[in-house]
Order: sequence, then C-alpha cells, then structure tokens
Amino acid sequence: EAQVTQNPRYLITVTGKKLTVTCSQNMNHEYMSWYRQDPGLGLRQIYYSMNVEVTDKGDVPEGYKVSRKEKRNFPLILESPSPNQTSLYFCASSKAGPRDTFYEQYFGPGTRLTVT
Amino acid sequence: DQQVKQNSPSLSVQEGRISILNCDYTNSMFDYFLWYKKYPAEGPTFLISISSIKDKNEDGRFTVFLNKSAKHLSLHIVPSQPGDSAVYFCAASNTGGFKTIFGAGTRLFVKA
Repeated sequence: EAQVTQNPRYLITVTGKKLTVTCSQNMNHEYMSWYRQDPGLGLRQIYYSMNVEVTDKGDVPEGYKVSRKEKRNFPLILESPSPNQTSLYFCASSKAGPRDTFYEQYFGPGTRLTVT
Repeated sequence: DQQVKQNSPSLSVQEGRISILNCDYTNSMFDYFLWYKKYPAEGPTFLISISSIKDKNEDGRFTVFLNKSAKHLSLHIVPSQPGDSAVYFCAASNTGGFKTIFGAGTRLFVKA
C-alpha cells in the first residue's frame, strides 16, 4: 500500500530534550515536506526537500532541522524543543516534475507533539 | 501576512444542498490552486486542483472555480453528503509544487 508513515504518532516531552520525528514514504517520491498545523493558522511549511541531500526552508523553519540522506526518509529534528513547538506535525511527499506540472502531496497521519 | 485566506472557519449545510467554500489569495504568482480535505486523526488528502490558466475544473460532485481578477477561488460540492463533513484546506502552489501555502481551513458540517 502506498503510504507516508510517521513515528511517533504522539509524543510528550520536556523543554530542551532533543527529539526526532521520523517520516518515510514508499512511493519513490522525490519531494518531501514537513508542516505544522495550529488552530487558526492552517498548515505551515517548515522545511522541504526536492531530492536526496537537497533541502530548503519553508515559512517557519526556526527551531527545526531536517536531513535527506535517503530518498524514502525525511526526519524532522528538534534540537532543543520549546513549548511554542507544541503542535500537530505532518509529513508529505509527492512526485516532482516539470515546471508546468502539478503533483498532489500525500500526507502522513500526523504526529501530535506536546512540549512542557 | 497570510497569502491564502479562508475567512469562514465553519459552514453548515443540509444534505443534498450545495456547499460553497471560499478562498482568497494575495500573490498573483501562484501556478496551481488546490483543495485538500481532512478528517479528524488523519492527514489531509488531495481533493481537486486548478491551474492558474483555467477558470474551472470539475471532478464528480466537486467543482473548483478560479477568478484571477478577484484573486478568489471557490469549491462547490453538489450534492453535499454527510460523509463530506471535514475540514477543507485551500492551498496555492508554485510551479513544481515545492512551496505550498495553505489557508487556515473551513470546517464543513453536512446535516442529514
């Protein structure tokens, strides 16, 4: 089954304790992205990657790191989490194509993170 | 400043009637406009898209209209069904889809 998986689904942690949220896709997609969803703000893009070893900042990258060492995996790293990073996080992937082509994004089920 | 705005946080519609969800954007450089649907405890799923060079795209019960002069798009669902009850996100994307800006979402309730 084609899917995007995220782990863990739920995480409660304390300020300053480094954590990693994993994301994996089995569709051989070139493009992957991380979003956070907050009430009244919708989904905001944190980082995205156009292919292995190619990443770029989205709209809210502060406090986050990513890496893309393999095509299927795109982990999100919070080196020193703070309470304002409490949110619902989604990973997504899609094909990448020519400039005039649109490909839909496939989203993972989400990771609810609470930082106390 | 939000580049994609959904001004209605919620909408309630009777089953069988039309649902109209609205979205405004500020950046004329977007190439594609999208609608995603989200159920509780699940990730968003793609619903329908429209290229900036078109003004209408239809897929079954779902039709998206784009008015470039007004920087406005809308999603029409006809007829609405209880299973359509979800949060609908409007989004805009550049070429290649690498940068995607989402609106805040509209929660649709379809009453049986």
